[in-house]
Amino acid sequence: NAGVTQTPKFQVLKTGQSMTLQCAQDMNHEYMSWYRQDPGMGLRLIHYSVGAGITDQGEVPNGYNVSRSTTEDFPLRLLSAAPSQTSVYFCASSYSRFAGGAYEQYFGPGTRLTVT
Amino acid sequence: TQLLEQSPQFLSIQEGENLTVYCNSSSVFSSLQWYRQEPGEGPVLLVTVVTGGEVKKLKRLTFQFGDARKDSSLHITAAQPGDTGLYLCAGITSGTYKYIFGTGTRLKVLA
Repeated sequence: NAGVTQTPKFQVLKTGQSMTLQCAQDMNHEYMSWYRQDPGMGLRLIHYSVGAGITDQGEVPNGYNVSRSTTEDFPLRLLSAAPSQTSVYFCASSYSRFAGGAYEQYFGPGTRLTVT
Repeated sequence: TQLLEQSPQFLSIQEGENLTVYCNSSSVFSSLQWYRQEPGEGPVLLVTVVTGGEVKKLKRLTFQFGDARKDSSLHITAAQPGDTGLYLCAGITSGTYKYIFGTGTRLKVLA
């Protein structure tokens, strides 16, 4: 299994450009999430999905769109890139929940995005 | 807004020393996790604690969930250079799917 894969690994955009960050998992996991990581702020949830066709907003959804047409793929779209979206983006997936509502997240290697 | 504050933010110690990292919140969480992240990689789950007062051990790492389920600690005994990394706590509230991550503690263990 490849686990969670993300492409591209690095990207530079100009302000106003749009792009899609790709995320795929081959573990048949139900749950998938997108986070951004900024210095001193840990990880912040952007959007998440509890199954194909179902998505919901996280803590910082503005400026981003997601869709989940298959179990395997969960792309993140930046509609009109802004310098404030410069960050490292992580995709995560999980297959089940256990006591206390917790679920084990497997993270991809990240995409480092710079918006100039 | 739920927040998880970690302390200290940075820690640089010598090999063989002990250390404790704290994760605190004013909110109650149904479970709490600890992750370690190395440069250029995604976080990797170390442990999940779900019961107030619970203590879990993973080799030289000891994790505790506070009785009130608002805080947690990670204690490392006899730290090694391989323990170097960013340690993150993350909490979840029952009935939601959203994890809240702490601000992180960057640990460097010198040989």
